[in-house]
Amino acid sequence: QKEVEQNSGPLSVPEGAIASLNCTYSDRGSQSFFWYRQYSGKSPELIMSIYSNGDKEDGRFTAQLNKASQYVSLLIRDSQPSDSATYLCAGLYSGGGADGLTFGKGTHLIIQP
Amino acid sequence: DAEITQSPRHKITETGRQVTLACHQTWNHNNMFWYRQDLGHGLRLIHYSYGVQDTNKGEVSDGYSVSRSNTEDLPLTLESAASSQTSVYFCASSDLVGTGELFFGEGSRLTVL
Repeated sequence: QKEVEQNSGPLSVPEGAIASLNCTYSDRGSQSFFWYRQYSGKSPELIMSIYSNGDKEDGRFTAQLNKASQYVSLLIRDSQPSDSATYLCAGLYSGGGADGLTFGKGTHLIIQP
Repeated sequence: DAEITQSPRHKITETGRQVTLACHQTWNHNNMFWYRQDLGHGLRLIHYSYGVQDTNKGEVSDGYSVSRSNTEDLPLTLESAASSQTSVYFCASSDLVGTGELFFGEGSRLTVL
């Protein structure tokens, strides 16, 4: 069974610090991973995608993928109060239906001013 | 601007009634999805469609149905609403299968009394 696991939090980080969000997955067949951000009462929106081992940087966000350890992470540098949200990790499985996406339950991040 | 809209945004109904949630997208995407989101469960896939006249069951399809008569719309019907179907429902669409990039509607909060 394909599972994506996240710590539900809340994860509390002071403003300006680095927020580190982690995700593990059970199926080595996963090809790619995605991070969605969801503000309270709003819909999820895609913020990062990563397709190969290593790091991918986009502004203040860095996604990291380690397929050997089945581990994905999202780093947010210079955290801002506007980063407070729930972050959903999703894995894409080749050959899977419905776009092949399996979502984790999300980590609630709180940036403290 | 292209968008995806859901209606109604909020609905209260009684057990046993039939309910239909509408989803309309102007992205001209072939792929459309319905998810429900509950505390402790994250996003769970209900039904999905890869094109007109195509529908598929997801992880939690019991008690729900969809139909796809055109590209723009994928209505979700609860045949006989149950209290266990109280949830927030998200419709999403995507252009290419397997990209992991979903565009979500604003969500519909359904309460079944």
